[in-house]
Amino acid sequence: AQSVAQPEDQVNVAEGNPLTVKCTYSVSGNPYLFWYVQYPNRGLQFLLKYITGDNLVKGSYGFEAEFNKSQTSFHLKKPSALVSDSALYFCAVTDNAGNMLTFGGGTRLMVKP
Amino acid sequence: NAGVMQNPRHLVRRRGQEARLRCSPMKGHSHVYWYRQLPEEGLKFMVYLQKENIIDESGMPKERFSAEFPKEGPSILRIQQVVRGDSAAYFCASSPRLAGDNNEQFFGPGTRLTVL
Repeated sequence: AQSVAQPEDQVNVAEGNPLTVKCTYSVSGNPYLFWYVQYPNRGLQFLLKYITGDNLVKGSYGFEAEFNKSQTSFHLKKPSALVSDSALYFCAVTDNAGNMLTFGGGTRLMVKP
Repeated sequence: NAGVMQNPRHLVRRRGQEARLRCSPMKGHSHVYWYRQLPEEGLKFMVYLQKENIIDESGMPKERFSAEFPKEGPSILRIQQVVRGDSAAYFCASSPRLAGDNNEQFFGPGTRLTVL
């Protein structure tokens, strides 16, 4: 069975400060990890993914994520937050033999001016 | 290239009625996934389909829910005799190949079902 934990329901950051949204995972095979963002009353937008290769993955809108195998983590980061980054962020995992994505519960990011 | 299309965007049903949710995958995508998002929760996998085949329905409730992806036309998620607990956002995603084969799933805007 695979699972994802996003330990923070909400993260508050001041505009211009760095942000981190945490994610840890559990999967039996090699992990395929994803971050999605959801704006109010909208679908999920893909941000970035880790399949293999460099542990630091760069994605859309200046976001990046660091894969840490020993800590089974895939934290989302951005060096300088924008107010427009305020949204709901979901981490997801699948294994190399599976098809479904397993999502974390989501973390609401609030960036204040 | 249009994205994943879902309709209707909002659906209101009374208890006991049927709800039919439609999903048209992105052009060239033959794999469709349905997820349900309850209020203030993450998405939960329901079913994975290819054209004319159900590949994985491990997340589907045993009763009242069914899904199909015919050779022609959109994928349909059907909920019979809806109850208030079915109220949720239902998202469809599509991918061109198996999700484990380095392809992300592209999500539609969702259908928000409200059961009165």
